[in-house]
Amino acid sequence: NAGVTQTPKFQVLKTGQSMTLQCAQDMNHNSMYWYRQDPGMGLRLIYYSASEGTTDKGEVPNGYNVSRLNKREFSLRLESAAPSQTSVYFCASSGWSGTGATQYFGPGTRLLVL
Amino acid sequence: QKEVEQNSGPLSVPEGAIASLNCTYSDRGSQSFFWYRQYSGKSPELIMSIYSNGDKEDGRFTAQLNKASQYVSLLIRDSQPSDSATYLCAVTGNSGYALNFGKGTSLLVTP
Repeated sequence: NAGVTQTPKFQVLKTGQSMTLQCAQDMNHNSMYWYRQDPGMGLRLIYYSASEGTTDKGEVPNGYNVSRLNKREFSLRLESAAPSQTSVYFCASSGWSGTGATQYFGPGTRLLVL
Repeated sequence: QKEVEQNSGPLSVPEGAIASLNCTYSDRGSQSFFWYRQYSGKSPELIMSIYSNGDKEDGRFTAQLNKASQYVSLLIRDSQPSDSATYLCAVTGNSGYALNFGKGTSLLVTP
């Protein structure tokens, strides 16, 4: 049981390049999330998918797209990377217990855009 | 934008003392509240969740919730150097799914 996995762990891009961050979970969770974390800014939600087949914007969606490929996988795409997208990206997933949706995080992807 | 506020710290406590971490939130409709611990360079890991007013204890950790005052706290008893980390308060947002995070409080437990 691996929990939430993310690939790659680290990536360097040049401005204008594109890339896709991959996330998968094996906990049979319905909901998945993408966050970015910057120094002094905390964790900010980029996009989330409440259930397979649905996606919604979070606080900072500009410059990103997402795909909920199936129940297990949720990818984040940067079409034209910018230095402002240098950050640590975390994927998370949650089930629904009826009293709240506890989120479990992947190990993160460190992205540097030059 | 619904806000979750935490003191950034650092909060420094001696080993064996009680560490008290506080969080306030602006959305009166929030129903679920979480404390995560994040070591430097690592991902957040869940410490406690709390959903109703009062105290919830789990080992050395106690979460306290006061919805009337829109206040959540985390007490760590018998603090250990291994507790040194950033503690993130998180509150459910409008969707009921996504979380709004505070910026975290840095805790340093000194031997």
